[in-house]
Amino acid sequence: AQRVTQPEKLLSVFKGAPVELKCNYSYSGSPELFWYVQYSRQRLQLLLRHISRESIKGFTADLNKGETSFHLKKPFAQEEDSAMYYCALTNAGGTSYGKLTFGQGTILTVHP
Amino acid sequence: EPEVTQTPSHQVTQMGQEVILRCVPISNHLYFYWYRQILGQKVEFLVSFYNNEISEKSEIFDDQFSVERPDGSNFTLKIRSTKLEDSAMYFCASSDRGEKLFFGSGTQLSVL
Repeated sequence: AQRVTQPEKLLSVFKGAPVELKCNYSYSGSPELFWYVQYSRQRLQLLLRHISRESIKGFTADLNKGETSFHLKKPFAQEEDSAMYYCALTNAGGTSYGKLTFGQGTILTVHP
Repeated sequence: EPEVTQTPSHQVTQMGQEVILRCVPISNHLYFYWYRQILGQKVEFLVSFYNNEISEKSEIFDDQFSVERPDGSNFTLKIRSTKLEDSAMYFCASSDRGEKLFFGSGTQLSVL
């Protein structure tokens, strides 16, 4: 069975500090990993996907298959980064592509 | 930017009653989904829909649930006889190629 674990429910940092939101997964097939974000009073939206290898709003995430991790990082956190962050997994290339398995989410608070 | 629209934003119903949750996906999207999030728990996949039929469903999506695309624009989730444990936030999502999902803002269902 596939599973996504985000060990931190809450994470607080100060503005300008580095931030890392942890995500570990278990999946027997070929996974595709995502980070979704939900800002206050907004809808859930895609932040980034591992296959895109892009940096969005200064965030990056590298898929480490050896450690089965997909941690989200930003070198200098901003107050506007405060939000709920969800790590999610799907089967890459399969017919159930949009079937996402979510982690429980991490609330990031960036203090001024 | 086009958005997925869900109505109503809140729905209160009595146990045993039928409810229909409505969604208008983004117009050129082909893949449609329902997810739910019980308070304090993970976002969970319910069902995916493509080419006018269910492509995948989870164990949660039992005979009490059904989905329909009645008129080419709306996408509905029906719960035939609601239970207390159906109380949750229900999210509709759509995508054009099954990759990036666009989520609606959700319907909060309360079963009394």
